Amino acid sequence: EVQLLESGGALVQPGGSLRLSCAASGFTFSNYAMNWIRQAPGMGLEWVSTFSGRGRSTYYADSVKGRFTVSGDNSKNTLYLQMNNLRAEDTAVYYCAKVLAGIAAVDYWGQGTLVTVSS
Amino acid sequence: EIVMTQSPATLSVSPGERATLSCRASQSVSSNLAWYQQKPGQAPRLLIYGASTRANGIPVRFSGSGSGTELTLTISSLQSEDFAIYYCQQYKNWPWTFGPGTKVEIK
Repeated sequence: EVQLLESGGALVQPGGSLRLSCAASGFTFSNYAMNWIRQAPGMGLEWVSTFSGRGRSTYYADSVKGRFTVSGDNSKNTLYLQMNNLRAEDTAVYYCAKVLAGIAAVDYWGQGTLVTVSS
Repeated sequence: EIVMTQSPATLSVSPGERATLSCRASQSVSSNLAWYQQKPGQAPRLLIYGASTRANGIPVRFSGSGSGTELTLTISSLQSEDFAIYYCQQYKNWPWTFGPGTKVEIK
């Protein structure tokens, strides 16, 4: 059974940093593109970052480029999101998400972890 | 960036009735489109990918159609558990983008 378990969400001040983790199980982590998708309170979904393919390419939304860094540890089956210089508009539930093989449609989501940026 | 729009924003439907949700893309996404259902306090659930392929375990009352810039999700006979928010998402071009959602509520 596929499971994605996020952790690391917290209340942080503007300009602060946070690292999110996503522990994956039930599938071969290195074979799939892994993603972070966020949802601000009462709002829609925004794709944040992708850690993609065997070559482990990375992609970022313009809204986080230069501030967030995605990485993965195949030995630990864990995805990370390092978030620096956080802004109020980064406040959201952050979901870890696995996509189908070769298709960027999310077939498994984590339960989400809440990041609140506020002074 | 491909901008996705959805209509209507809210759809009021009686149980047993048919619901038709629309998704429009600012440029062609071919069939590179997924539909998700989200209920309050839950993560989204994949319903449809490839514009028309049902995901594992999704009931046959959910169907997707269309390609290019105009795509549709149809729920043939709404059940009580189908009242939720529905999002479309394109994966033709990075950044992958979602529509703003259609809320399906009980009439």
